[in-house]
Formats: sequence, structure tokens, C-alpha cells
Amino acid sequence: KAGVTQTPRYLIKTRGQQVTLSCSPISGHRSVSWYQQTPGQGLQFLFEYFSETQRNKGNFPGRFSGRQFSNSRSEMNVSTLELGDSALYLCASSLWAGVITGELFFGEGSRLTVL
Amino acid sequence: SQELEQSPQSLIVQEGKNLTINCTSSKTLYGLYWYKQKYGEGLIFLMMLQKGGEEKSHEKITAKLDEKKQQSSLHITASQPSHAGIYLCGAVLDYGGATNKLIFGTGTLLAVQP
Repeated sequence: KAGVTQTPRYLIKTRGQQVTLSCSPISGHRSVSWYQQTPGQGLQFLFEYFSETQRNKGNFPGRFSGRQFSNSRSEMNVSTLELGDSALYLCASSLWAGVITGELFFGEGSRLTVL
Repeated sequence: SQELEQSPQSLIVQEGKNLTINCTSSKTLYGLYWYKQKYGEGLIFLMMLQKGGEEKSHEKITAKLDEKKQQSSLHITASQPSHAGIYLCGAVLDYGGATNKLIFGTGTLLAVQP
């Protein structure tokens, strides 16, 4: 069974640009969550999608957005990039959403560097 | 302050020694995950605990959940160099109904000296 797949694994952007990251969950999983990991702030929750609907959102500015498709694949977008957006972006998938209902599996992450 | 505190922040042990990492919440816990991460890589699922008093083991790693204390502990027996990495606890905290979300502790960096 394939794990959670994130693309691209590494990317470099400049300030002001935008970026789109992709996440393919484990087959059969319908919930996808996104996290940002930085040395200073640790692992912080961005948002969660289930059945193409955003169920939960963390405390990030509106420049961070996401969506989920009918096949459960998810994308997140960051517009008008800032230096502080440099981070490892992790995607996690699970069968269900909401309050802890099952195992949560993470992808390898997409490392974004903003110059 | 962090809603989910891990201690210690870092730990160096000799191979073969036992160790314990703690994760304490400032809010009611609905469930708790333990993960291991190699620097710059994804999180590897270790265990999930849902009920107070629950204890799970996998190979030489045991985790317990104490709902009353709002705390979980991860214990590694006879540590090996392969256990080295960053250990993260994640918990679903009570923010009220649909806003419950999974947040993570700051992590514990473990080094095992051969």
C-alpha cells in the first residue's frame, strides 16, 4: 500500500512569488491535514480537509489556502511568499476527520526555501 | 506558553540504557499520538492512545496515557542507535466541538551513544 506522497520534495522561490504543493493520501483515506514545521515554531496546524470540505483551520494568514479534490488529493497554495514561509510542509492522511479517530500518517514533506 | 509540553527537550543516553519522554497537556486530551522524525524528513507513526490508562508497546517502545494528569509517557527499553531522532507527541485537545484539532509538542531530540 503506497504511503502519503508529497510533491515537490524541494523547491526554491523568491519573495512575492506563489507556490502550490500537492499531497496524495493513502488510498482510501479521505482526510488530509497540512502542517508547517519550522525550527522556531515547531509543527503547526494549517488546515484539514475531508470530502472536499475544509473542516478546520489553524492560525495562518489568508495567503495560505488549500483545497481537496474528489479523489482526496489535496493542494495547498501560498501566495505572496515571505522569507518566513521557508519551512517543511507536511501533509497527513487518515481515514476519517475530526476528533482523533484513527492513525494519522505523514508524507516526507515539501521543503520550501524562500529567497 | 505551549499547550503541549514535552520533556526533556533533548536527551543523550548510552546504548542499552532505558529512557522516558513525557508529554503534558494544558487542556483535556481526547487522544494522543507519538511520532519519530529524522531531521528534515516526514513523521513516522509510532503509536496512538485513546483511552485513559491505555498502554501500548511496539518492539522496545512503550507508551502510556494518563487522562487525569493530562499526560503521556514514552519509554524506550535498552536503547539502540536506531532509536536516535526527534520524538514528537501530538494530541487532540478540547477547544469545543468541531474546532478540536491536532497539535504537536515541541519535540524531544534523542541521541544514543554507542
